[in-house]
Amino acid sequence: SQTIHQWPATLVQPVGSPLSLECTVEGTSNPNLYWYRQAAGRGLQLLFYSVGIGQISSEVPQNLSASRPQDRQFILSSKKLLLSDSGFYLCAWGSGRARGELFFGEGSRLTVL
Amino acid sequence: AQKITQTQPGMFVQEKEAVTLDCTYDTSDPSYGLFWYKQPSSGEMIFLIYQGSYDQQNATEGRYSLNFQKARKSANLVISASQLGDSAMYFCAMRVDTDKLIFGTGTRLQVFP
Repeated sequence: SQTIHQWPATLVQPVGSPLSLECTVEGTSNPNLYWYRQAAGRGLQLLFYSVGIGQISSEVPQNLSASRPQDRQFILSSKKLLLSDSGFYLCAWGSGRARGELFFGEGSRLTVL
Repeated sequence: AQKITQTQPGMFVQEKEAVTLDCTYDTSDPSYGLFWYKQPSSGEMIFLIYQGSYDQQNATEGRYSLNFQKARKSANLVISASQLGDSAMYFCAMRVDTDKLIFGTGTRLQVFP
């Protein structure tokens, strides 16, 4: 069966520090991968998605970047965090098939102080 | 523009009663998919139910059913026989590309004894 994991689960970082959140998927090959952010009390905003190694699409201009160095690995990064980067980050994968549901990781809660 | 709207920030329901969570959507694409996800306090997003735009019957998954009214562009989630464990945030989502989903702002459901 397919599983998705992301880490760290919780992160408290000072403004201006770097960020790296990692997500890996097991049990499937060539998944579509996504990074969403959920601000407190709000819905999910799509940040990045990837349909293959090295292929990254950005949905909104921001202080963050994403990379996909391996087929089942997706990384969210920042060189210098802003206060506004605080939130709950969710990684997800999808098969790209007809129904198109996404399956999510456990989430990473980032607090920038 | 493609959009998902959930107008109920919060809902209360007594245990064993049924509850309907509202969702309306906007798209000009003839082919689309609608989803409901549950987000408990732990933060992970749990896929509940799917409805395709060409599906003739309303989707059902156990105690969950989706009241799909295409002409009204609504896709309400009905939870029958509510349980205390149903207390969570519920998000409606729509597929806009092959498994790229946009989400509503969510409804917080609280089930009381």
